[in-house]
Amino acid sequence: GQSLEQPSEVTAVEGAIVQINCTYQTSGFYGLSWYQQHDGGAPTFLSYNALDGLEETGRFSSFLSRSDSYGYLLLQELQMKDSASYFCAVGAPGQAGTALIFGKGTTLSVSS
Amino acid sequence: DAGVIQSPRHEVTEMGQEVTLRCKPISGHNSLFWYRQTMMRGLELLIYFNNNVPIDDSGMPEDRFSAKMPNASFSTLKIQPSEPRDSAVYFCASSPRAVGNTEAFFGQGTRLTVV
Repeated sequence: GQSLEQPSEVTAVEGAIVQINCTYQTSGFYGLSWYQQHDGGAPTFLSYNALDGLEETGRFSSFLSRSDSYGYLLLQELQMKDSASYFCAVGAPGQAGTALIFGKGTTLSVSS
Repeated sequence: DAGVIQSPRHEVTEMGQEVTLRCKPISGHNSLFWYRQTMMRGLELLIYFNNNVPIDDSGMPEDRFSAKMPNASFSTLKIQPSEPRDSAVYFCASSPRAVGNTEAFFGQGTRLTVV
């Protein structure tokens, strides 16, 4: 089976740095990705890690350790607009192709 | 490209009625996913297709749920008969590659309410 664990809620203030962790257990693994979802909206892709290490995209960075089945999303210089839910997702091999399995999401609240 | 297009955006129906949700993936994408999102269960993968072929429907909750992809540009998710516990937001997503790809593009979702 597949399971992903991430904190349910995180709070921070504008300008701060926050890290959202994700641990996973899957029967196969292609990579870990992160999605952002604002209230009432659709999930949108943020980043993807297939190999160990840090990927940086502007204020957001994502890290993966395959040996630890662990990754995190790092958000810097937080802004009010970053208040949203953040999901980690694992690409896992299926019978043919890739199933994309999501964690339950972390609600980030940024205050001024 | 207009992105993934879902219809309708909102659907309110009575228990026992048939509901059909529609999805047009991004042109050229090889994989299509159907998800259900609720507060309690999060984003659940219901079924996914590669090159129009259903690969894994183990996430479909019951036989009342069925999905088809008759061609590369259209997919449907049908619930018959619908029940109040089916109330949720249903998302369709597509991705460019069938294997090893974890970037998916989501439609705006269909908010289904069964009364």
